[in-house]
Amino acid sequence: DQQVKQNSPSLSVQEGRISILNCDYTNSMFDYFLWYKKYPAEGPTFLISISSIKDKNEDGRFTVFLNKSAKHLSLHIVPSQPGDSAVYFCAAITNTGNQFYFGTGTSLTVIP
Amino acid sequence: DSGVTQTPKHLITATGQRVTLRCSPRSGDLSVYWYQQSLDQGLQFLIQYYNGEERAKGNILERFSAQQFPDLHSELNLSSLELGDSALYFCASSRDRGNSPLHFGNGTRLTVT
Repeated sequence: DQQVKQNSPSLSVQEGRISILNCDYTNSMFDYFLWYKKYPAEGPTFLISISSIKDKNEDGRFTVFLNKSAKHLSLHIVPSQPGDSAVYFCAAITNTGNQFYFGTGTSLTVIP
Repeated sequence: DSGVTQTPKHLITATGQRVTLRCSPRSGDLSVYWYQQSLDQGLQFLIQYYNGEERAKGNILERFSAQQFPDLHSELNLSSLELGDSALYFCASSRDRGNSPLHFGNGTRLTVT
């Protein structure tokens, strides 16, 4: 069962514009959410996280928004840069769980 | 550099064989996780260890097993290999069992021919 879903396999954005990557989840017990970035031939790299007690967390060009009522998570990258081109995974875990659930990823291409 | 080391980087073997993948977690991390990523698939959780003990199991086949040693490094053993086992196998570590980020190694690419 896919408890974390990324419904857009790919996204293309012009350099300098905003990239918005979306993630939906089904388990209301999830309380910690993360975004990872993955380049080819490398492991996923932790980008940013958010606890369920917040609805927004910002780190430089990256902002994660959490809408608990909609069970929806999004990652905003502003401004987008060519080096941001990668596959982005969202992940979630419950506060009593041991397993991180990952989405299937969204491939972002930032066009110079 | 995540601090998580996986060896080997590439492995090519034949069906029916057995292989061992190795992972050294980041210094100070007690939890080790194993994930499988097949072509065009997301990260499928296999198993988690915390301080030497198995803590959670995901979609891990009975032909696969893992362990975490006293020095906290972990090994994933894959036996009776099938073509469908060809995938990227990632190890990740974290400080504790709870809400701290996973840090991934660069993976082992297994090709079964």
